[in-house]
Amino acid sequence: GAVVSQHPSRVICKSGTSVKIECRSLDFQATTMFWYRQFPKQSLMLMATSNEGSKATYEQGVEKDKFLINHASLTLSTLTVTSAHPEDSSFYICSASQLTGNQPQHFGDGTRLSIL
Amino acid sequence: GIQVEQSPPDLILQEGANSTLRCNFSDSVNNLQWFHQNPWGQLINLFYIPSGTKQNGRLSATTVATERYSLLYISSSQTTDSGVYFCAGRSGGTSYGKLTFGQGTILTVHP
Repeated sequence: GAVVSQHPSRVICKSGTSVKIECRSLDFQATTMFWYRQFPKQSLMLMATSNEGSKATYEQGVEKDKFLINHASLTLSTLTVTSAHPEDSSFYICSASQLTGNQPQHFGDGTRLSIL
Repeated sequence: GIQVEQSPPDLILQEGANSTLRCNFSDSVNNLQWFHQNPWGQLINLFYIPSGTKQNGRLSATTVATERYSLLYISSSQTTDSGVYFCAGRSGGTSYGKLTFGQGTILTVHP
């Protein structure tokens, strides 16, 4: 149980394109989902916390107009990288917890984004 | 937020050897998880261990919450254990569950 599905797994696109990444909790409901970014040979850095039915909470230094987050249902959050540029190329990973409080986070398999 | 430090940053082993990875955190945590990131980037959840000791096959983990550290033990290492190991913690004061990751330990197991 507690499976998180992330799609697509890899995207290659031209500079200026907007890219949408989906994160789904397959067998549980998640009021909160999280979006992380990982650059090569570095750790995961939290970008934003996605809250169902309300605005996302962004970490310091993350542009909310650049990285649009929508969490319209208890099983789906989306991250849209708008007008992507080569510096946005990275590995993006989402996670979700079954409940707020002391529960483990379950991670998707990540999306490797390459902007040419 | 909390700070999470992992050691060692790199570890090279011969197959069959045992190893211990350490995770220190700067504040009390109500969630502590260990992950193995494989070469494809997938994060494999090894343990959810805010306190106590757990074992799963050749792996075990111990978290001493009062002393703010956790240990991951790998026994009889295999080449497939190679990869990056992360610990991540959530501060007890955090209301919405975000995890802070350590910088990782890069493990290389040679045959």
